[in-house]
Amino acid sequence: DSGVTQTPKHLITATGQRVTLRCSPRSGDLSVYWYQQSLDQGLQFLIQYYNGEERAKGNILERFSAQQFPDLHSELNLSSLELGDSALYFCASSVEGQGAGETQYFGPGTRLLVL
Amino acid sequence: AQKITQTQPGMFVQEKEAVTLDCTYDTSDPSYGLFWYKQPSSGEMIFLIYQGSYDQQNATEGRYSLNFQKARKSANLVISASQLGDSAMYFCAMRSDGAGSYQLTFGKGTKLSVIP
Repeated sequence: DSGVTQTPKHLITATGQRVTLRCSPRSGDLSVYWYQQSLDQGLQFLIQYYNGEERAKGNILERFSAQQFPDLHSELNLSSLELGDSALYFCASSVEGQGAGETQYFGPGTRLLVL
Repeated sequence: AQKITQTQPGMFVQEKEAVTLDCTYDTSDPSYGLFWYKQPSSGEMIFLIYQGSYDQQNATEGRYSLNFQKARKSANLVISASQLGDSAMYFCAMRSDGAGSYQLTFGKGTKLSVIP
């Protein structure tokens, strides 16, 4: 158990809908990252937050948004869902989010299926 | 730009034997970290081992060791005494100190199957 929690574990929804994925980082970690894992794209970085502020953006679509709250939990909002958004979405956390050597610990993931 | 290459889509190993999973990387940053993660069929990503670009010694964690060859830009994972529970996908990843490069860049992974 990495100490990172994600809810829900599974999500099935329809095209055009909006969903919210939730993540709680390990105790003491200030930085949260979101990754998407799909068969065709592999593991891709979406966005990083540090202590409530956006720090880095990756291949995140405009239909997707995220935030980190004062209690450090984070939510990833996916809207106008398309079939291609079906994927495993991971949240990871690290202590500060800086430095090449800082290990990121991953949550169990949320498996999203868009029908 | 950073890139991780894992050239072995799938590998088989006999139980109790050692196996090496290959990883090569590309970065122009002098300071970087290399990581290996394990993803069992249940889906979670489990951190295994870390090697820093300035580390003089190869990293080891129990049955896992990282064969770091900086000049060749390779960071191969060695699993000794394979167990059935080692069957999983293995991902090599890199993180560098370049501006804005706080995320991990992953390879495509290697699927390891341990044969009894």
